[in-house]
Amino acid sequence: GNSVTQMEGPVTLSEEAFLTINCTYTATGYPSLFWYVQYPGEGLQLLLKATKADDKGSNKGFEATYRKETTSFHLEKGSVQVSDSAVYFCALLMDSSYKLIFGSGTRLLVRP
Amino acid sequence: NAGVTQTPKFQVLKTGQSMTLQCAQDMNHEYMSWYRQDPGMGLRLIHYSVGAGITDQGEVPNGYNVSRSTTEDFPLRLLSAAPSQTSVYFCASSGPNQPQHFGDGTRLSIL
Repeated sequence: GNSVTQMEGPVTLSEEAFLTINCTYTATGYPSLFWYVQYPGEGLQLLLKATKADDKGSNKGFEATYRKETTSFHLEKGSVQVSDSAVYFCALLMDSSYKLIFGSGTRLLVRP
Repeated sequence: NAGVTQTPKFQVLKTGQSMTLQCAQDMNHEYMSWYRQDPGMGLRLIHYSVGAGITDQGEVPNGYNVSRSTTEDFPLRLLSAAPSQTSVYFCASSGPNQPQHFGDGTRLSIL
């Protein structure tokens, strides 16, 4: 079946460090891929998305590239801030479907 | 600019009590869903609906009921609350092939 695997957290970084959160997927077709972010005490917010191979999604300094050859959608940011501390979820959506399939989430903690 | 609205934000129940978590969206989305979020387990789908009058079970439906009488509303009912249902509950909605919009969650404790 379709699934999403994320690196386990927590990921702890110092401010201004480079961030990578790995995400790989298994899918029988060509999914759209998403990163959601959940700040403490809040719901999930869409961070970025990519709908086809080689697309790059970007928002708030975060980027992720849809790599079909490696079935990956790794999240990166060049210089993290304390305010980026949150839980990040990778997710996929199959074409003509409504149901998002989520990874288990990765907690990021950025220290000053 | 309401989006997805969940009420209440917090609730404490005793074992055996029943209650309804409310979810409303004002984006005319066809699809609505309920998730629970537990530590270390990510999000698990409880029930979902692809339109008014249509509902279906997700991964963890036991102990919960839903109905969809209108496009806007998708309430989740706990029939007889159990401590294992202590969790954070999220409602979400979307159009076809679109990412889901989430509410702010209901934090439910069952004693």
